[in-house]
Amino acid sequence: NAGVMQNPRHLVRRRGQEARLRCSPMKGHSHVYWYRQLPEEGLKFMVYLQKENIIDESGMPKERFSAEFPKEGPSILRIQQVVRGDSAAYFCASSPWDSYGYTFGSGTRLTVV
Amino acid sequence: GIQVEQSPPDLILQEGANSTLRCNFSDSVNNLQWFHQNPWGQLINLFYIPSGTKQNGRLSATTVATERYSLLYISSSQTTDSGVYFCDVLRDYKLSFGAGTTVTVRA
Repeated sequence: NAGVMQNPRHLVRRRGQEARLRCSPMKGHSHVYWYRQLPEEGLKFMVYLQKENIIDESGMPKERFSAEFPKEGPSILRIQQVVRGDSAAYFCASSPWDSYGYTFGSGTRLTVV
Repeated sequence: GIQVEQSPPDLILQEGANSTLRCNFSDSVNNLQWFHQNPWGQLINLFYIPSGTKQNGRLSATTVATERYSLLYISSSQTTDSGVYFCDVLRDYKLSFGAGTTVTVRA
């Protein structure tokens, strides 16, 4: 079992570009969570998805950010028109069902220049 | 949402010492987990422990759900234990993280 795979590990984007972060959950896991960790800060919940459904996106900024978890393929966190304040580590976690322990990926470190 | 408070915010230990980290939460929860973020930024699950006691090597954890707190025990600390320890709780699809306890173990 390969664990939760996130790619890319590091991503550099210029202001105004789009960033697409991918998360492949562990085999058999149908629940995905995205978190953001700003420099020198703790983890902040962004969104919780099940296959083809967004369950809770209360932590997502209202503009420029979107997430999906299609029936086939990885979960995608998309940030449009990135700004310097989006620079952070973005972690994904997956679990086999609700209210069960979840496993984190290694994260994607986004740098906006 | 549920408020999660971790204490102490910072902890400096001499190698070999024991310590206890605490996580208080403001309401009943479906799930509680402890994580370790090492100095390289990796997040490692330590325990899934909505209630009861679990042990894994030098680490153990106890959650008293009725009193809304959890404790993480580190025994015979090693320099590799350094990093930030987070607890998080899940209730009704809502996740809440504590601010973490930063542990520094000195040789």
